[in-house]
Amino acid sequence: NAGVTQTPKFQVLKTGQSMTLQCAQDMNHEYMSWYRQDPGMGLRLIHYSVGAGITDQGEVPNGYNVSRSTTEDFPLRLLSAAPSQTSVYFCASSPNQAAYEQYFGPGTRLTVT
Amino acid sequence: KNQVEQSPQSLIILEGKNCTLQCNYTVSPFSNLRWYKQDTGRGPVSLTIMTFSENTKSNGRYTATLDADTKQSSLHITASQLSDSASYICVVSFISNFGNEKLTFGTGTRLTIIP
Repeated sequence: NAGVTQTPKFQVLKTGQSMTLQCAQDMNHEYMSWYRQDPGMGLRLIHYSVGAGITDQGEVPNGYNVSRSTTEDFPLRLLSAAPSQTSVYFCASSPNQAAYEQYFGPGTRLTVT
Repeated sequence: KNQVEQSPQSLIILEGKNCTLQCNYTVSPFSNLRWYKQDTGRGPVSLTIMTFSENTKSNGRYTATLDADTKQSSLHITASQLSDSASYICVVSFISNFGNEKLTFGTGTRLTIIP
């Protein structure tokens, strides 16, 4: 049981480039979410999904797209990277949105130059 | 505005000593409060989760308390170990206007245990 996995662990992009951060979980969780963590700030919700085919915006969705074609995978796409998107990105999952326990992945550290 | 404030920002203690981390919140309506441990370079890991009716909860050497009246929580670590060096994040859950649960994260307390 690998839990929540994220790839890549580190990434450097130039302004304007696009990329996809991968997230997968093997716990058959319905609820998945993406957060960003910046120095001096708490984690902020970017997008979330309550099940395959259903996604919704969180607190800071601008500049990011998501899709959920399977229960296991929840990729986060940066359409045109900006320096303001330099951050550490965490994917999390839980059995459902009301579940108290959230399981976080190891994170992706993204630098946009 | 829903906010979670943690203190101190950072703390250094000797191995074997106890410490207490604080969390104050203005989140409403309150649903539950969670404490997470985040090791450097890793994702947060849940330590405790408390609902409105619970005022204390333990997980090994970690004991969390909750005073829902004063909107304060604390995390007490007993007999600290080097592996306790991490950031500790307080997270408060509230019910949004649409009836779903939202989380507000604190900025964390960075704890360093020295031998």
